[in-house]
Amino acid sequence: RKEVEQDPGPFNVPEGATVAFNCTYSNSASQSFFWYRQDCRKEPKLLMSVYSSGNEDGRFTAQLNRASQYISLLIRDSKLSDSATYLCVVYSSASKIIFGSGTRLSIRP
Amino acid sequence: DTEVTQTPKHLVMGMTNKKSLKCEQHMGHRAMYWYKQKAKKPPELMFVYSYEKLSINESVPSRFSPECPNSSLLNLHLHALQPEDSALYLCASSQSGSYNEQFFGPGTRLTVL
Repeated sequence: RKEVEQDPGPFNVPEGATVAFNCTYSNSASQSFFWYRQDCRKEPKLLMSVYSSGNEDGRFTAQLNRASQYISLLIRDSKLSDSATYLCVVYSSASKIIFGSGTRLSIRP
Repeated sequence: DTEVTQTPKHLVMGMTNKKSLKCEQHMGHRAMYWYKQKAKKPPELMFVYSYEKLSINESVPSRFSPECPNSSLLNLHLHALQPEDSALYLCASSQSGSYNEQFFGPGTRLTVL
């Protein structure tokens, strides 16, 4: 079993839809969690840190479920510009950084 | 300044060449990272420098040699690479080496002939 797993997608949803992704992790001692987005042939860009209490930034909501060992990203009112690959990142320990394999999202007009 | 810069943007080299990739940040971050990314795959961590000391080397072949001249600069020296080393090489920095969000540079797209 991989330490961090993501559904690779692709998710193909219409503009305006709500879409959610999960990322599961196997190490219960994992401490920090992040969502990045990566556009084709570009670098990953930090989207959100994920806190135990959950956090929201505009149309984006990130949550952490420690009991079930997953993090989630919810995108409301999706835009064409949201089309990208979404990567979850988990610090399994202070020195072990693990990227999920990414979830591809495509928003259609 | 919240930017990580990398040079060159593109690099083509032969298997016998020696070249270097450069990365710079002026955010006062004390940890810097090198990643390798192949098409349609996530970034793979290669090296981590924390407070200018190499803290993580993810069993990278010796043909890749990192260097951290100061807290703002990170180099990756390349020698005798193989065609399978062709990839996007990403540099990132974070406030410290543990648990912090990382900020990535635009990458160097390397082709080894």
